Amino acid sequence: QVQLVESGGGVVQPGRSLRLSCAASGFTFRTNAMHWFRQAPGKGLEWLTFISYDGNHKYFADSVKGRFTISRDNSKDTLYLHMDTMKLEDTAVYYCARDGVVFGVADYWGQGTLVSVSS
Amino acid sequence: DIQMTQSPSSLSASVGDTITITCRASQSISSSLNWYQQKPGKAPNLLIYAASTLHSGVPSRFSGSGSGTDFTLTISSLQAEDFATYYCHQYYIRPWTFGQGTKVEI
Repeated sequence: QVQLVESGGGVVQPGRSLRLSCAASGFTFRTNAMHWFRQAPGKGLEWLTFISYDGNHKYFADSVKGRFTISRDNSKDTLYLHMDTMKLEDTAVYYCARDGVVFGVADYWGQGTLVSVSS
Repeated sequence: DIQMTQSPSSLSASVGDTITITCRASQSISSSLNWYQQKPGKAPNLLIYAASTLHSGVPSRFSGSGSGTDFTLTISSLQAEDFATYYCHQYYIRPWTFGQGTKVEI
């Protein structure tokens, strides 16, 4: 079955960087586009970024454009989110998700990893 | 950006009830709409995509309808495990955006 496992979350100071990973299994990772989403404590869901199956196409929400970078290593079945110049408002649970049945539809999600930005 | 507005924000229901949640887009999104269910401390689960297509493994008591700007999620014969928060999500135009959520409580 499709499984996505995020890691790398933790406490980080404002202005610092953090990299999240998402290990995929149960499907052919190299044939699927992927997303990152987040959810601030007690808030709704926010789409952050998308990467095509081959890594050639990437899209970002304005809230993270220029600060966050998405990448993937298809040889390791792993997705990454590199977060620079972190802000207090980046505190959230971060989820990776597979783009599946239809382009733009995130059909399977990881369990999430908590990132807390605090001084 | 396309704004997605759900109503109601919360509702109370009983096991066996039929409930309907509405989602309205600020502009036409054709049928490019998903519905997700999220339980506390868990990741969202896809219920419906393309406005009305049931995702694999989702019980048939869940159904979706609509196109353009107005969409509905209906849950027939509500079960105990259905008490959760539901989100609509448009993928017609980037940035992909969500409704604010509807919390279904006992």
